[in-house]
Amino acid sequence: DQQVKQNSPSLSVQEGRISILNCDYTNSMFDYFLWYKKYPAEGPTFLISISSIKDKNEDGRFTVFLNKSAKHLSLHIVPSQPGDSAVYFCAASEANFNKFYFGSGTKLNVKP
Amino acid sequence: DVKVTQSSRYLVKRTGEKVFLECVQDMDHENMFWYRQDPGLGLRLIYFSYDVKMKEKGDIPEGYSVSREKKERFSLILESASTNQTSMYLCASSSSHAEAFFGQGTRLTVV
Repeated sequence: DQQVKQNSPSLSVQEGRISILNCDYTNSMFDYFLWYKKYPAEGPTFLISISSIKDKNEDGRFTVFLNKSAKHLSLHIVPSQPGDSAVYFCAASEANFNKFYFGSGTKLNVKP
Repeated sequence: DVKVTQSSRYLVKRTGEKVFLECVQDMDHENMFWYRQDPGLGLRLIYFSYDVKMKEKGDIPEGYSVSREKKERFSLILESASTNQTSMYLCASSSSHAEAFFGQGTRLTVV
């Protein structure tokens, strides 16, 4: 059973608007959460992360929110740009960082 | 700049062949991973290693084995390739308490 779930396979947003990508997890032992961005035929690249002791982390246009009670995190991209079009993976790990569990990905399309 | 390098971008192999996928990292990371990516399934962990000569099974180890003789190198072995192993294979490395860095991926086709 998947411990990290991304229930929206795709999302389409107009350039300049906000993109919100969602992720749910089941394992309460997860301590660290990450978002990766992946273009076709390339490996995923790290985007932003958040520790379980925080509820928000911001880096430029990207903000990740964590709601531990709901076991839910989200990635906000504002303003969205066409170059943001990619597949976004949510990931989580326990405190030992020995394993990363990934969601199935959300394909974001930002329309010019 | 951190670097994880996979030996091939594209591979075509025949059913039954033994296949080696090589991965090298230059960051002195303790942890190394092999994932495969399939449409709708995301990244699934095949094997990982937290030290030289140490290995642990991930979620889908069947049909695969790994080797880590040196800290910087982690090899994935398909003992007898089958068509259901056609996939994108991704190698990654990480240190403790930090994110994983990925290689560029190997698109393997088994015919």
